[in-house]
Amino acid sequence: DAGVTQSPTHLIKTRGQQVTLRCSPISGHKSVSWYQQVLGQGPQFIFQYYEKEERGRGNFPDRFSARQFPNYSSELNVNALLLGDSALYLCASSFTENTEAFFGQGTRLTVV
Amino acid sequence: GENVEQHPSTLSVQEGDSAVIKCTYSDSASNYFPWYKQELGKGSQLIIDIRSNVGEKKDQRIAVTLNKTAKHFSLHITETQPEDSAVYFCAATSDYKLSFGAGTTVTVRA
Repeated sequence: DAGVTQSPTHLIKTRGQQVTLRCSPISGHKSVSWYQQVLGQGPQFIFQYYEKEERGRGNFPDRFSARQFPNYSSELNVNALLLGDSALYLCASSFTENTEAFFGQGTRLTVV
Repeated sequence: GENVEQHPSTLSVQEGDSAVIKCTYSDSASNYFPWYKQELGKGSQLIIDIRSNVGEKKDQRIAVTLNKTAKHFSLHITETQPEDSAVYFCAATSDYKLSFGAGTTVTVRA
C-alpha cells in the first residue's frame, strides 16, 4: 500500500508569490493534517481536516489556507510568501481525527 | 497551548550502547505521546507511542516511559545500531493535533 504522498518534493518561489502543496492520504484514511517544520525545529501544527471539514487551526496567519477534497486528498495554499515561510511542509494522514498520524516525506519550500 | 521540551538536542553513542531521550510537557490534559524518527528522504516514521493510561511500553529494542505526575516521558533505545542514526521527535497532544519537541539528532558510532 502506498503511504502518504506529497507533491512536489521541492519548490522554489519568490517573495509575494502564491504556492499550492498537495497531499494524498493513505487509502482509507479520512483525516489530513498539515505541519510546518523550520530547519532545526520540530513540526508546528497548521491545519487538520476530517471528512472535508476543518477540525483545527494552529497559530498561523490567514495567508495560510487549506481544503480537503471528496477523495480525502488535501491542498495547502500559502499566499503572499515571505522568506520566513521557507520550511519543510509535512502532511499527516490518519484514519479519523483522533487516531495515529502517519507522515509523508514533505515538500521543501524555499522562498527567495 | 501545549509546550514540549526535548533533551538532549544531540546524542552520540557507541554502537551497542543505549540511548535515552527525555521530553517534558506542560498541558496536564495531554494523553497521547508519540515518537517519530525522521530520516532524510524517508520522511517521519511513527516508531512508538504511549497513552496516559499506561506507564511503559516496549517494542523490541525501543521502549517509552511516561510519568504523568511529573509530566515527562522518555524514549529508550537499547543495543543501538548504525541504522538508529536519525533525528527523533517527541510529541504530546490531547486531541491528536500534535505539539512537537525540537528534536534530538542521534549518531551511532561504529
